[in-house]
Amino acid sequence: AQSVSQHNHHVILSEAASLELGCNYSYGGTVNLFWYVQYPGQHLQLLLKYFSGDPLVKGIKGFEAEFIKSKFSFNLRKPSVQWSDTAEYFCAVSGTYSSASKIIFGSGTRLSIRP
Amino acid sequence: DVKVTQSSRYLVKRTGEKVFLECVQDMDHENMFWYRQDPGLGLRLIYFSYDVKMKEKGDIPEGYSVSREKKERFSLILESASTNQTSMYLCASSPPREGTDTQYFGPGTRLTVL
Repeated sequence: AQSVSQHNHHVILSEAASLELGCNYSYGGTVNLFWYVQYPGQHLQLLLKYFSGDPLVKGIKGFEAEFIKSKFSFNLRKPSVQWSDTAEYFCAVSGTYSSASKIIFGSGTRLSIRP
Repeated sequence: DVKVTQSSRYLVKRTGEKVFLECVQDMDHENMFWYRQDPGLGLRLIYFSYDVKMKEKGDIPEGYSVSREKKERFSLILESASTNQTSMYLCASSPPREGTDTQYFGPGTRLTVL
């Protein structure tokens, strides 16, 4: 069955610390991978996405993610976090289901940054 | 700027009531989705639609139905609300290109069923 796993449910870091959030997926065929972010009180929005080409993808606000096909992983990284990165982060994978694209989301990782 | 709007931010209903959640997008997207978001469970797909009057069940369709009479509007219906349907409901839309499209989300409706 298709699935996305985010093993860290809640991560607490101090400002300027480095961040890596894990994401593993189980999905047959060609995958497209996403990280979405939900800041407190705001809409869920796209942080970055991978669908082909360079497996190292750069997104907004200094985030990046690396697609490692052999490990079925798409971990999110940021070298130095800020208090404003406090949010919930969702990894997602898409495929084709009937005539529409269906995205499967992970359970989310809550990131808390101590000022 | 892309926009997905939902009819209510907060809604309180009683058990057994019929509940309508409305979603409108102004991007001319073919695909529209309804999710519910629960702590520790992430987003779970309830229904989606890839065209007017077309609908497909997602992962948790039980207790829900949908309606798509116009391209820009996708409604989620709880025929008889129950307390276990208390949740945050998110609507999203996406363009039709398979597999690579980005989903645009609305602000969510927090539904409480008493």
